[in-house]
Amino acid sequence: EVQLVESGGGLVKPGGSLGLSCAVSGFTFSDYSMNWVRQAPGKGLEWVSSISSSSTNYIYYVDSVKGRFTISRDNAKNSLYLQMNSLRAEDTAVYYCAREMMIVGATRAHYYFDYWGQGTLVTVSS
Amino acid sequence: DIQLTQSPSFLSASVGDRVTITCRASQGISSYLVWYQQKPGKAPKVLIYAASTLQSGVPSRFSGSGSGTEFTLTISSLQPEDFATYYCQQLNSYPLTFGGGTKVEIK
Repeated sequence: EVQLVESGGGLVKPGGSLGLSCAVSGFTFSDYSMNWVRQAPGKGLEWVSSISSSSTNYIYYVDSVKGRFTISRDNAKNSLYLQMNSLRAEDTAVYYCAREMMIVGATRAHYYFDYWGQGTLVTVSS
Repeated sequence: DIQLTQSPSFLSASVGDRVTITCRASQGISSYLVWYQQKPGKAPKVLIYAASTLQSGVPSRFSGSGSGTEFTLTISSLQPEDFATYYCQQLNSYPLTFGGGTKVEIK
C-alpha cells in the first residue's frame, strides 16, 4: 500500500525556520518526482515545489518561496524534505507532499499527482 | 505564469443533477490539465488527468473534456458523496498552478 506521511509542522514565529519531512512507503521512491503543495486555512491549493527523481534533473519553486525554502530528498531513506526559512504569516498552511505520476501516451507524456499525504499544519504567528 | 480561472466558484445542486465546472487557462496548455476532488480535512484525490482520462477507480459519472485554454469537468448524475470542492491544475509548465476551486454544495 502506498503511504506518504508528513511530519514536522507546528507553530513558529515570523522569521523562524521549520523543516518538514515526508516518509514514503509502498513504492520505489527513487522512480518518482515529488512535490510539496500547501493550502492556507479556508483557501485553495498552491503548488510550492517539485524535485526530480534523482534530485539532479530539476528543482522548481513558486516565486513566493524562492530563496527561503529548500526542497530535497534522500532516496536511501525514502524521504522528501522541505526546509523553510524566514517564515512569514502568509506561509501558514497545511503542507502536503504528493507523488507525481507520469503516463507515457502515444505522442506525449502526461503527469498528475496520484498519491498525497495527510498534510501537516504550519502556523507562523507571534 | 499560467493562470487558471474556474467557474463557478460555488455551485448549489441536487442529487441526480448534471453538473458542469469550467476551467480556463490564460494561455494554451494542450491537454496538460488535471481535475481533483477535495473533501473537508482530506487531501485532494485525482479524478481526471490529461484533460479527459478517467483515473482508475473513479466512477464513470465523472468526465473531462477540452484542450488548449478551455476545459470542463462534468458529473452526469450528482451523488451524495460528490459534494466537495473541485480543483483544476495545469502541468504544462512551471510554476504549476491550480484553479481557485469550485465548491459543490447540496441544494
